[in-house]
Amino acid sequence: SSELTQDPAVSVALGQTVRITCQGDSLRSYYASWYQQKPGQAPVLVIYGKNNRPSGIPDRFSGSSSGNTASLTITGAQAEDEADYYCNSRDSSGNPFGGGTKLTVL
Amino acid sequence: EVQLVESGGGLVKPGGSLRLSCAASGFTFSSYSMNWVRQAPGKGLEWVSSISSSSSYIYYADSVKGRFTISRDNAKNSLYLQMNSLRAEDTAVYYCARAVTVTTPDYWGQGTLVTVSS
Repeated sequence: SSELTQDPAVSVALGQTVRITCQGDSLRSYYASWYQQKPGQAPVLVIYGKNNRPSGIPDRFSGSSSGNTASLTITGAQAEDEADYYCNSRDSSGNPFGGGTKLTVL
Repeated sequence: EVQLVESGGGLVKPGGSLRLSCAASGFTFSSYSMNWVRQAPGKGLEWVSSISSSSSYIYYADSVKGRFTISRDNAKNSLYLQMNSLRAEDTAVYYCARAVTVTTPDYWGQGTLVTVSS
């Protein structure tokens, strides 16, 4: 079981903005990292730290945090953003990964 | 370019053993902690184990503690996972991942499938 809680599924219309959230006590002390995983592929880091994007990640991806909740925001979602998204927090008790959110782009 | 290539997966009977390997390149392997993360078919990501750069610190998920052993050979730029007493619930794709913090990966390999079945 995960100590980080995510909504199982979220949908967004093409070109609109979507927020994917992650809740957990460890997020009061540490920033979340976010991973995108497409079917049959390995996860890819999209956000880490306060709001940092690895090289090659589009700037429509951003991260934020408040209290025990971290958020991944996609501003102007594209068809290629349809994927599973996982949060991760250091020192989270139990599994450091959230259960994942399946994002559907309509 | 960071590359992580796992090998050693396959079909094994319950109670059996398997050793996974991960060959790293494109970065100074000896400077990074490393993780094993697994994903059961159709399920989410589950952290399995972490090892610090010099092997001084090793951590395991409760689900594998006492059965799995993580190790590394910095001279060979390689990470290993020895899996004993395998169970059906260990069936998963096993990913090798470089760690930016103990349990937070940045780069991932493509994974190797372990199937535990009679």
